[in-house]
Amino acid sequence: EAGVTQSPTHLIKTRGQQATLRCSPISGHTSVYWYQQALGLGLQFLLWYDEGEERNRGNFPPRFSGRQFPNYSSELNVNALELEDSALYLCASSPKGLAGAGEQYFGPGTRLTVT
Amino acid sequence: AQSVTQPDIHITVSEGASLELRCNYSYGATPYLFWYVQSPGQGLQLLLKYFSGDTLVQGIKGFEAEFKRSQSSFNLRKPSVHWSDAAEYFCAVANQAGTALIFGKGTTLSVSS
Repeated sequence: EAGVTQSPTHLIKTRGQQATLRCSPISGHTSVYWYQQALGLGLQFLLWYDEGEERNRGNFPPRFSGRQFPNYSSELNVNALELEDSALYLCASSPKGLAGAGEQYFGPGTRLTVT
Repeated sequence: AQSVTQPDIHITVSEGASLELRCNYSYGATPYLFWYVQSPGQGLQLLLKYFSGDTLVQGIKGFEAEFKRSQSSFNLRKPSVHWSDAAEYFCAVANQAGTALIFGKGTTLSVSS
């Protein structure tokens, strides 16, 4: 069974640009979560999508947004990039009925560098 | 608000020695607790979880954790550490709404030979 996949592995952008990160969940999982792992700040919850809808949002500005497609894959968009957005962005998925409180399976992450 | 504290930023253990990584949580009700491991350049792998029932939980790779409500702790243990266990370990609790995981800052484990 394939795990959670993320693309690209690395992404380099300049300040003010937009970044798009992609995530494919484990087959059969309907929930997708996004986390930011920035140096010194630890892992912070960004967004949760389930059945195509945004269900919960962490304490991040609106320039962090995303969507979930009918096949349950997801995109995270970061607009007007700032230097402090440089981080590892992790995507996780969980099976239907176990959202949030259940097990989350993580992908390898996308390393975003903003220069 | 829920929170997770991992008091040890970095721990070094000799190969073959026992390991205990500390985790304290702040949560009003019965928590859902998790331990994850992250190897360099990789995502997080679930080691074990506690939802209810037996307070001693067995996980993968020979790890176990004990839930102690009176101490608000969920410490991770392994009787004999292998060099391949060197990684960063994260304790997490599901938030009260059950909509996200709240992570501790992590403990980096180094294994010396």
